[in-house]
Amino acid sequence: SQTIHQWPATLVQPVGSPLSLECTVEGTSNPNLYWYRQAAGRGLQLLFYSVGIGQISSEVPQNLSASRPQDRQFILSSKKLLLSDSGFYLCAWSGWRGASTDTQYFGPGTRLTVL
Amino acid sequence: AQSVAQPEDQVNVAEGNPLTVKCTYSVSGNPYLFWYVQYPNRGLQFLLKYITGDNLVKGSYGFEAEFNKSQTSFHLKKPSALVSDSALYFCAVRGISYNTDKLIFGTGTRLQVFP
Repeated sequence: SQTIHQWPATLVQPVGSPLSLECTVEGTSNPNLYWYRQAAGRGLQLLFYSVGIGQISSEVPQNLSASRPQDRQFILSSKKLLLSDSGFYLCAWSGWRGASTDTQYFGPGTRLTVL
Repeated sequence: AQSVAQPEDQVNVAEGNPLTVKCTYSVSGNPYLFWYVQYPNRGLQFLLKYITGDNLVKGSYGFEAEFNKSQTSFHLKKPSALVSDSALYFCAVRGISYNTDKLIFGTGTRLQVFP
């Protein structure tokens, strides 16, 4: 069966510091991968998605970037964190076919607090 | 543009009573509709989806949802609520006209089941 991992689970960082959040998927090949941010425990905002190694699409221009160095690894980064980067970051995967019927499955999330 | 609306921020129901969480959508073409549940500080868990076929879709934990094309709705239902059903519920839609595997999420509805 497929599993998705995220780490760290929680993170407290000062303003201006760098960020690296990691997401890995097991039990599948060539998944589509996604980064979402959830602010104030409510709506989800799609940040990045990737259909393959090195292929990243950005949904919202901002202080963050994403990379996919391996097939089942997706990294969210920042060079200098802002207060507004605080939130709950969720990684998700879906089947490699990219079919509209494919379900997205979410990881456990990373709670980021920027002070 | 495709969109999804969850008109209720919160739904309160007594344990043992039936529950309904509302969702309406707007999309060109045939809609693919999803329901997810989120417990505090956790990732989203997939409950069910409508692709085609029977308008009544059965999912995890005794939940079901009814697709109504004329009313553009996909309400989540359960015949008998449990206290453990208390959580945040998200409806999502993906339009068939889109090539990329992106979901549009509603703002979420908090379900509170009272003993």
